[in-house]
Amino acid sequence: SQQGEEDPQALSIQEGENATMNCSYKTSINNLQWYRQNSGRGLVHLILIRSNEREKHSGRLRVTLDTSKKSSSLLITASRAADTASYFCATDGPGNTPLVFGKGTRLSVIA
Amino acid sequence: SQTIHQWPATLVQPVGSPLSLECTVEGTSNPNLYWYRQAAGRGLQLLFYSVGIGQISSEVPQNLSASRPQDRQFILSSKKLLLSDSGFYLCAFSYGVGYGYTFGSGTRLTVV
Repeated sequence: SQQGEEDPQALSIQEGENATMNCSYKTSINNLQWYRQNSGRGLVHLILIRSNEREKHSGRLRVTLDTSKKSSSLLITASRAADTASYFCATDGPGNTPLVFGKGTRLSVIA
Repeated sequence: SQTIHQWPATLVQPVGSPLSLECTVEGTSNPNLYWYRQAAGRGLQLLFYSVGIGQISSEVPQNLSASRPQDRQFILSSKKLLLSDSGFYLCAFSYGVGYGYTFGSGTRLTVV
């Protein structure tokens, strides 16, 4: 399976600190995506990084991709209480195959 | 702009009853459509996806089915619900490879 696995499962930090979440996957990918889910809501797309990219930024988000290690990390800088949510990585494989999601990291940012 | 609508938001159904969840997309044409299910505190399990009208791919053989009667309409159905069908059902659309998914707000289904 190409399913991503996030690490850690849960993370609790103080407001203003940085949060780092990791994702590992098993097979070759076209791209890797990160999503956020607030409790009881749908997922929101955060960022997509292609297999030929190594790093991407969007606001306070920084994503890295290491295809040799089949891993990615999501860094949220200067976290806010509003960043409290679950974060999922998702990968796709060859062809037009649907995204496969990991189990997510639950982030709690304490004010 | 493109939007996705999913309803109902919550549903409580008895075991053995039928199910119909509807998802519609606005502001785009020929999207890829997806149904995922999320168990409590878990990741998303892909149930069905569709790349065009009448084209349905099933990922998990079970008592659920999906249909795409119109380009921007995706329906998840069951003739007889099981307790194990409880969960959070999410519909999503995308433009294909290399694009992010836009998710609906989800339906919380409880089978009692």
